[in-house]
Amino acid sequence: EVQLVESGGGLVQPGGSLRLSCAASGFTFSNYDMNWVRQAPGKGLEWISYISSNTDVIYYADSVKGRFTISRDNAKNSLYLQMNSLRTEDTAVYYCARNKWIDYWGQGTLVTVSS
Amino acid sequence: DIQMTQSPSSLSASVGDRVTITCRASQGIRNDLGWHQQKPGKAPKRLIYAASSLQSGVPSRFSGSGSGTEFTLTITSLQPEDFATYYCLQHNNYPRTFGQGTKVEIK
Repeated sequence: EVQLVESGGGLVQPGGSLRLSCAASGFTFSNYDMNWVRQAPGKGLEWISYISSNTDVIYYADSVKGRFTISRDNAKNSLYLQMNSLRTEDTAVYYCARNKWIDYWGQGTLVTVSS
Repeated sequence: DIQMTQSPSSLSASVGDRVTITCRASQGIRNDLGWHQQKPGKAPKRLIYAASSLQSGVPSRFSGSGSGTEFTLTITSLQPEDFATYYCLQHNNYPRTFGQGTKVEIK
């Protein structure tokens, strides 16, 4: 069974940093591209970043480019999102999601940016 | 960027009704589209891939159709567990883009 478990969310002040993790199991993680998608409270889904299986291709949404960094460790079956210079508008539930076309989602981790 | 225009934004329906949700892409995306269901407080779940293929384990009352710029999700005979928000997602190009969502509520 495919499982994606996010962690690392919490309360952070504007301008601060946070690192999210996504632990994958139930499939061969190193064979799959991965994504981060977020959802602000009461809003729709927003794709924010993609990383290919071997890390040679990375994309970001304009809203996070230059502030967020996606990475992965295939040996640890883990996906990461380093978030710097956080803004109040980054407050959201952050989901990791498998594959170019998104077939499985994690349960999400809440990031709250507030003073 | 490819814009995905989803309609309606919400609808009220009764158990047993047939429901249709539409997504329109701002440019052709072949059949590179999925439909995802999200219940309150839960993660999304994919229902349909490649515009018209049913995800394993998803009830057959869900179906998708379309290609190019016009896509439809149909739920025949709506069930109580189907009350949720539905999103289309294009995976033809980056950035990936979602429709705004359709909230299906109980009439």
